Amino acid sequence: SYELTQPPSVSVSPGQTARITCSGDAFPKQYAYWYQQKPGQAPVLMIYKDTERPSGIPERFSGSSSGTTVTLTISGVQAEDEADYYCQSADSSGTWVFGGGTKLTVL
Amino acid sequence: EVQLVESGGGLVKPGGSLRLSCAASGFTFSDASMRWVRQAPGKGLEWIGRIKSETDGGTTDYAAPVKGRFTISRDDSKNTLYLQMNSLQTEDTAVYYCTAGGGFWGQGTLVTVSS
Repeated sequence: SYELTQPPSVSVSPGQTARITCSGDAFPKQYAYWYQQKPGQAPVLMIYKDTERPSGIPERFSGSSSGTTVTLTISGVQAEDEADYYCQSADSSGTWVFGGGTKLTVL
Repeated sequence: EVQLVESGGGLVKPGGSLRLSCAASGFTFSDASMRWVRQAPGKGLEWIGRIKSETDGGTTDYAAPVKGRFTISRDDSKNTLYLQMNSLQTEDTAVYYCTAGGGFWGQGTLVTVSS
């Protein structure tokens, strides 16, 4: 099955742009999904099918893909964006795999 | 409004069993593939398994660490998803979430395996 690799942590100042990468052989064959998780809460889907944003998710969140790396970009980071972020994909049988997660710190 | 509500978590001894439930509302449960995901304390998300809708065959798939010990089932008449966990080990200690396609998640239920 696939493995997805994320940086353990990313730090950014408010108003700057944060980029969180996720690499793996699943891409670009399979779609990428991104989740935000705050302490004590369930994950929230932020991006699906590489670049699509569910309704209600702020426009500052965007997704992109290049080769075997997908990226979650948060433009104009706000304090409330501090959270853990997980990428997720699936193999051809529908088995999910998650990246190890990235802790976003807003300085 | 879509709602997923897990229940059934608690403290169980190693080797014991537990059955989790996930009550769904606000969408056509019978049409949905449903998944269980867990998160050990301080760790990342781990996919446990999936059950397809009956119209898609109702088949199940499991992650290697739980295959042969955990069983996912569904009762479409009750809009409820189940996770039967047998031969529990300390490393199964986690918050267990049900999810419908990733877009909707329950609040999770904590399972603690300890003597």
